[in-house]
Amino acid sequence: DGGITQSPKYLFRKEGQNVTLSCEQNLNHDAMYWYRQDPGQGLRLIYYSQIVNDFQKGDIAEGYSVSREKKESFPLTVTSAQKNPTAFYLCASSTGAAGGYTFGSGTRLTVV
Amino acid sequence: GDSVTQMEGPVTLSEEAFLTINCTYTATGYPSLFWYVQYPGEGLQLLLKATKADDKGSNKGFEATYRKETTSFHLEKGSVQVSDSAVYFCALTDHGTSYGKLTFGQGTILTVHP
Repeated sequence: DGGITQSPKYLFRKEGQNVTLSCEQNLNHDAMYWYRQDPGQGLRLIYYSQIVNDFQKGDIAEGYSVSREKKESFPLTVTSAQKNPTAFYLCASSTGAAGGYTFGSGTRLTVV
Repeated sequence: GDSVTQMEGPVTLSEEAFLTINCTYTATGYPSLFWYVQYPGEGLQLLLKATKADDKGSNKGFEATYRKETTSFHLEKGSVQVSDSAVYFCALTDHGTSYGKLTFGQGTILTVHP
Protein backbone atom coordinates (compact mmCIF):
# COMPACT_ATOMS: atom_id res chain seq x y z
CA ASP A 1 0.00 0.00 0.00
CA GLY A 2 1.17 3.49 -0.76
CA GLY A 3 1.80 5.94 2.03
CA ILE A 4 4.22 8.00 4.05
CA THR A 5 6.56 6.47 6.60
CA GLN A 6 8.08 8.55 9.37
CA SER A 7 10.77 7.22 11.64
CA PRO A 8 11.45 6.95 14.43
CA LYS A 9 8.11 7.29 16.22
CA TYR A 10 9.83 8.59 19.38
CA LEU A 11 13.17 10.36 19.53
CA PHE A 12 15.15 11.75 22.42
CA ARG A 13 17.83 14.36 21.97
CA LYS A 14 20.38 15.79 24.33
CA GLU A 15 20.97 19.51 24.48
CA GLY A 16 23.39 20.64 21.76
CA GLN A 17 22.86 17.66 19.47
CA ASN A 18 21.54 17.59 15.92
CA VAL A 19 18.98 14.94 15.07
CA THR A 20 17.47 13.88 11.74
CA LEU A 21 13.87 12.78 11.27
CA SER A 22 13.15 10.51 8.36
CA CYS A 23 10.22 10.86 5.92
CA GLU A 24 9.74 8.50 2.98
CA GLN A 25 6.79 8.31 0.57
CA ASN A 26 5.92 5.89 -2.20
CA LEU A 27 2.95 7.84 -3.55
CA ASN A 28 4.89 9.45 -6.39
CA HIS A 29 3.96 12.87 -5.00
CA ASP A 30 6.00 15.85 -6.15
CA ALA A 31 5.46 18.06 -3.10
CA MET A 32 6.52 17.26 0.46
CA TYR A 33 6.14 19.23 3.69
CA TRP A 34 7.27 19.30 7.31
CA TYR A 35 4.96 20.62 10.02
CA ARG A 36 5.49 21.09 13.71
CA GLN A 37 2.61 20.55 16.14
CA ASP A 38 2.48 22.05 19.63
CA PRO A 39 -0.48 21.80 22.00
CA GLY A 40 -3.06 24.49 21.34
CA GLN A 41 -1.18 25.95 18.36
CA GLY A 42 -2.24 23.77 15.48
CA LEU A 43 0.34 22.89 12.86
CA ARG A 44 3.00 25.28 11.63
CA LEU A 45 4.94 24.84 8.40
CA ILE A 46 8.72 24.39 8.74
CA TYR A 47 9.87 23.63 5.19
CA TYR A 48 8.35 22.48 1.95
CA SER A 49 9.60 21.13 -1.34
CA GLN A 50 7.74 21.17 -4.62
CA ILE A 51 10.34 19.28 -6.61
CA VAL A 52 13.58 17.34 -6.20
CA ASN A 53 16.63 19.46 -5.32
CA ASP A 54 14.48 22.45 -4.41
CA PHE A 55 12.90 23.52 -1.13
CA GLN A 56 11.59 26.66 0.56
CA LYS A 57 11.36 27.92 4.10
CA GLY A 58 8.01 27.88 5.79
CA ASP A 59 6.84 29.99 8.70
CA ILE A 60 9.21 28.63 11.36
CA ALA A 61 12.35 27.44 9.54
CA GLU A 62 14.93 28.80 11.99
CA GLY A 63 16.94 26.00 13.60
CA TYR A 64 15.89 23.41 11.00
CA SER A 65 17.35 22.15 7.74
CA VAL A 66 16.14 19.82 4.99
CA SER A 67 17.29 18.13 1.81
CA ARG A 68 15.43 16.70 -1.19
CA GLU A 69 17.86 14.57 -3.12
CA LYS A 70 15.23 12.01 -4.09
CA LYS A 71 11.55 12.37 -4.88
CA GLU A 72 10.69 9.79 -2.22
CA SER A 73 12.65 11.27 0.67
CA PHE A 74 12.52 14.56 2.60
CA PRO A 75 14.55 14.30 5.84
CA LEU A 76 14.39 17.05 8.46
CA THR A 77 17.36 17.91 10.67
CA VAL A 78 16.66 19.64 13.96
CA THR A 79 19.84 21.52 14.79
CA SER A 80 21.20 22.70 18.10
CA ALA A 81 20.16 26.20 17.07
CA GLN A 82 16.49 25.30 17.53
CA LYS A 83 15.72 26.70 20.97
CA ASN A 84 12.64 24.68 21.78
CA PRO A 85 12.64 21.51 19.69
CA THR A 86 10.38 19.37 21.86
CA ALA A 87 7.27 18.83 19.70
CA PHE A 88 5.37 16.45 17.46
CA TYR A 89 6.66 16.56 13.85
CA LEU A 90 4.47 15.63 10.92
CA CYS A 91 5.56 15.00 7.35
CA ALA A 92 3.12 15.23 4.46
CA SER A 93 3.11 14.86 0.72
CA SER A 94 0.81 16.16 -1.94
CA THR A 95 -0.04 15.93 -5.59
CA GLY A 96 -0.47 19.68 -5.49
CA ALA A 97 -4.16 19.42 -6.23
CA ALA A 98 -6.77 20.36 -3.65
CA GLY A 99 -7.22 17.60 -1.11
CA GLY A 100 -4.22 15.57 -2.23
CA TYR A 101 -2.41 15.68 1.12
CA THR A 102 -1.27 12.50 2.85
CA PHE A 103 0.26 12.69 6.33
CA GLY A 104 2.70 10.41 8.06
CA SER A 105 2.04 9.16 11.59
CA GLY A 106 4.52 11.60 13.12
CA THR A 107 7.69 11.66 15.22
CA ARG A 108 7.61 12.87 18.80
CA LEU A 109 10.91 14.57 19.65
CA THR A 110 11.85 15.22 23.26
CA VAL A 111 14.92 17.09 24.47
CA VAL A 112 16.39 15.57 27.61
CA GLY B 1 -1.47 36.50 5.02
CA ASP B 2 -3.75 33.50 5.13
CA SER B 3 -5.21 32.47 8.47
CA VAL B 4 -7.77 30.07 9.93
CA THR B 5 -9.60 30.56 13.22
CA GLN B 6 -11.45 27.74 14.96
CA MET B 7 -13.70 27.84 17.95
CA GLU B 8 -11.82 27.18 21.13
CA GLY B 9 -12.23 23.87 22.82
CA PRO B 10 -12.29 21.47 24.30
CA VAL B 11 -15.79 20.41 23.32
CA THR B 12 -17.45 17.74 25.43
CA LEU B 13 -20.68 16.09 24.28
CA SER B 14 -22.84 13.12 25.13
CA GLU B 15 -23.30 10.39 22.55
CA GLU B 16 -25.96 11.22 19.91
CA ALA B 17 -25.66 14.97 20.54
CA PHE B 18 -25.41 17.50 17.69
CA LEU B 19 -21.93 18.82 16.93
CA THR B 20 -20.86 22.16 15.51
CA ILE B 21 -17.25 23.33 15.34
CA ASN B 22 -16.92 26.83 13.94
CA CYS B 23 -14.21 27.78 11.47
CA THR B 24 -13.59 31.11 9.73
CA TYR B 25 -10.79 32.03 7.39
CA THR B 26 -8.88 34.85 5.75
CA ALA B 27 -7.29 34.34 2.35
CA THR B 28 -6.06 36.62 -0.40
CA GLY B 29 -6.53 34.19 -3.29
CA TYR B 30 -8.97 31.38 -4.06
CA PRO B 31 -8.84 28.89 -1.20
CA SER B 32 -9.87 25.30 -0.97
CA LEU B 33 -11.08 24.37 2.51
CA PHE B 34 -10.56 21.20 4.51
CA TRP B 35 -11.35 19.48 7.76
CA TYR B 36 -8.77 17.04 9.10
CA VAL B 37 -9.10 14.69 12.06
CA GLN B 38 -6.31 13.47 14.33
CA TYR B 39 -6.69 10.50 16.65
CA PRO B 40 -4.34 10.22 19.64
CA GLY B 41 -0.70 9.63 18.68
CA GLU B 42 -1.44 9.60 14.97
CA GLY B 43 -1.06 11.81 11.94
CA LEU B 44 -3.88 13.74 10.29
CA GLN B 45 -6.55 12.20 8.09
CA LEU B 46 -8.60 14.15 5.60
CA LEU B 47 -12.22 14.21 6.76
CA LEU B 48 -13.81 16.35 4.04
CA LYS B 49 -13.08 19.18 1.64
CA ALA B 50 -14.69 21.86 -0.51
CA THR B 51 -12.97 23.59 -3.37
CA LYS B 52 -15.30 26.46 -4.28
CA ALA B 53 -18.02 28.64 -2.81
CA ASP B 54 -21.29 26.88 -1.87
CA ASP B 55 -19.71 23.42 -2.16
CA LYS B 56 -20.67 21.03 0.63
CA GLY B 57 -18.12 18.48 1.76
CA SER B 58 -19.37 15.37 3.54
CA ASN B 59 -17.97 12.15 4.96
CA LYS B 60 -18.88 9.71 7.77
CA GLY B 61 -21.89 11.83 8.75
CA PHE B 62 -19.87 15.05 8.99
CA GLU B 63 -20.71 18.01 6.76
CA ALA B 64 -19.34 21.48 6.08
CA THR B 65 -20.42 24.13 3.56
CA TYR B 66 -18.02 26.63 1.99
CA ARG B 67 -19.59 30.05 2.69
CA LYS B 68 -17.69 32.76 0.84
CA GLU B 69 -19.96 35.56 2.04
CA THR B 70 -19.21 34.80 5.69
CA THR B 71 -15.74 33.28 5.05
CA SER B 72 -16.75 30.24 7.06
CA PHE B 73 -16.56 26.45 6.88
CA HIS B 74 -18.28 25.14 10.00
CA LEU B 75 -18.17 21.41 10.73
CA GLU B 76 -21.42 19.68 11.75
CA LYS B 77 -22.62 16.21 12.63
CA GLY B 78 -26.13 15.33 13.62
CA SER B 79 -25.35 12.53 16.08
CA VAL B 80 -21.86 12.04 17.45
CA GLN B 81 -20.41 8.74 18.64
CA VAL B 82 -17.71 7.95 21.21
CA SER B 83 -15.45 6.98 18.32
CA ASP B 84 -15.60 10.58 17.04
CA SER B 85 -13.46 11.71 19.98
CA ALA B 86 -10.39 13.29 18.38
CA VAL B 87 -8.81 16.63 17.47
CA TYR B 88 -10.35 18.40 14.49
CA PHE B 89 -8.43 20.88 12.33
CA CYS B 90 -9.82 23.32 9.82
CA ALA B 91 -7.37 24.22 7.06
CA LEU B 92 -7.06 26.01 3.75
CA THR B 93 -4.81 26.01 0.77
CA ASP B 94 -4.75 29.20 -1.25
CA HIS B 95 -4.15 28.39 -4.88
CA GLY B 96 -3.79 32.02 -5.77
CA THR B 97 -0.70 32.56 -3.67
CA SER B 98 1.08 29.65 -1.98
CA TYR B 99 1.15 26.53 -4.07
CA GLY B 100 0.01 23.49 -2.13
CA LYS B 101 0.73 24.77 1.38
CA LEU B 102 -1.88 24.14 4.05
CA THR B 103 -2.64 26.76 6.68
CA PHE B 104 -4.23 25.25 9.80
CA GLY B 105 -6.43 26.45 12.59
CA GLN B 106 -5.35 25.68 16.15
CA GLY B 107 -7.44 22.54 16.43
CA THR B 108 -10.48 21.67 18.53
CA ILE B 109 -10.45 18.74 20.93
CA LEU B 110 -13.73 16.80 20.90
CA THR B 111 -14.60 14.32 23.64
CA VAL B 112 -17.78 12.28 23.38
CA HIS B 113 -19.07 10.46 26.47
CA PRO B 114 -21.35 7.39 26.36
